[in-house]
Amino acid sequence: SYVLTQPPSVSLAPGQTARLTCGGSFIGAKSVHWYQQKSGQAPVLVVFDDGDRPSGIPERFSGSNSGNTATLTISGVEAGDEAAYYCQVWDATSDQVVFGGGTRLTVL
Amino acid sequence: QEQQQPWGARLLQPSETLSLTCDVYSGSLSGYSWTWIRQSPDRGLEWIGEISHSGNTKFNLSLRSRLTLSMDTPTTQVSLKLGSVIAADTAIYFCARTIVVAGAHRYFDLWGRGTLVTVS
Repeated sequence: SYVLTQPPSVSLAPGQTARLTCGGSFIGAKSVHWYQQKSGQAPVLVVFDDGDRPSGIPERFSGSNSGNTATLTISGVEAGDEAAYYCQVWDATSDQVVFGGGTRLTVL
Repeated sequence: QEQQQPWGARLLQPSETLSLTCDVYSGSLSGYSWTWIRQSPDRGLEWIGEISHSGNTKFNLSLRSRLTLSMDTPTTQVSLKLGSVIAADTAIYFCARTIVVAGAHRYFDLWGRGTLVTVS
């Protein structure tokens, strides 16, 4: 089955740029979606189709996808960005949705 | 009950059937697919399965033999039944509105508050 790998945690100071990675075999050939989940809340879609933003998501959130790595970039991180971030793809080979294990972003 | 928060029995014994229902937004049933997802500390976010507006379903292969998804258009409800539950089925269960692109990849643009179901 297809596997998505995310680093468990990233810590940054406010104002820095967060680059959260999601690794998968030839993931560049898939569409990658990203979710933000704050403590005790449901996930929220922040990027879809590699780099598009839903309405209401700040421009500070962007995404890219190439080769074996997709990246969610958060520019100028703020305290309110502290959350777990999950990547997700559709694996057409197995007809399954796959989630990464998530990265917890801590804003120091 | 808040819309899109699954409702049903929250405490089950092993071997019982987990049954949850989601009241989805009026009008959303005909235009979207709906997906069930669960989350636990051990398994993280886990896709359970999807039902389309026409009633077509897709299932997590590991749950397929125990899983039933259904929808009721007049009441705008989607439902999940998971049979023969075990402790490992303890999780927060979500229903999420699903955007399917070109009949291929999909993502979840609207999640309701989850419901904790405990098997013990």
